[in-house]
Amino acid sequence: AQKVTQAQTEISVVEKEDVTLDCVYETRDTTYYLFWYKQPPSGELVFLIRRNSFDEQNEISGRYSWNFQKSTSSFNFTITASQVVDSAVYFCALILLTGGGNKLTFGTGTQLKVEL
Amino acid sequence: GAGVSQSPRYKVAKRGQDVALRCDPISGHVSLFWYQQALGQGPEFLTYFQNEAQLDKSGLPSDRFFAERPEGSVSTLKIQRTQQEDSAVYLCASSSNRAAYEQYFGPGTRLTVT
Repeated sequence: AQKVTQAQTEISVVEKEDVTLDCVYETRDTTYYLFWYKQPPSGELVFLIRRNSFDEQNEISGRYSWNFQKSTSSFNFTITASQVVDSAVYFCALILLTGGGNKLTFGTGTQLKVEL
Repeated sequence: GAGVSQSPRYKVAKRGQDVALRCDPISGHVSLFWYQQALGQGPEFLTYFQNEAQLDKSGLPSDRFFAERPEGSVSTLKIQRTQQEDSAVYLCASSSNRAAYEQYFGPGTRLTVT
């Protein structure tokens, strides 16, 4: 069975600091997607990124960047120059592409608090 | 266009009552998912529909939980004889055929069983 681990329960930073959220996953499948979602206090999960298991190229989108390393089964998320609006719970998740039925397996989330 | 909507947003039920939670997916989305999110935890899969067919209900925690999507659009998650351990946020998500792995989530229904 697949598993996603987010070891950091809570991180507090001061605005403008860079912060990295860790994600480690376990699966025996070779084809899968990895995701990051943001959950602000309003509760709605907001899709941030999807990554195919065959594509290890890192990605940057504005202040956000993602580092996918299959060798260590990690898919880490970095926010550069953090802002108060980045405060939220962030979830890493996994979908298996063969027989997984499209269901997302989530980690337990990392609460990020960005303070002035 | 409109996103996924869920109603009610908040529900308080006394133990033993039945509840029904509604999900309106994004128009045209064929896939619909229900997840349960306990306090401080990540969402956990409950069940999955493709159109009106329930293809996976492996995550439903007991036979008190029942979901339906009779016309392939709106879905209802019903919980019978609610227990305190059912207290959680119930999230609905939908996805299209074109981007089957990109699920769009609703705001959730927070159920509190007293």
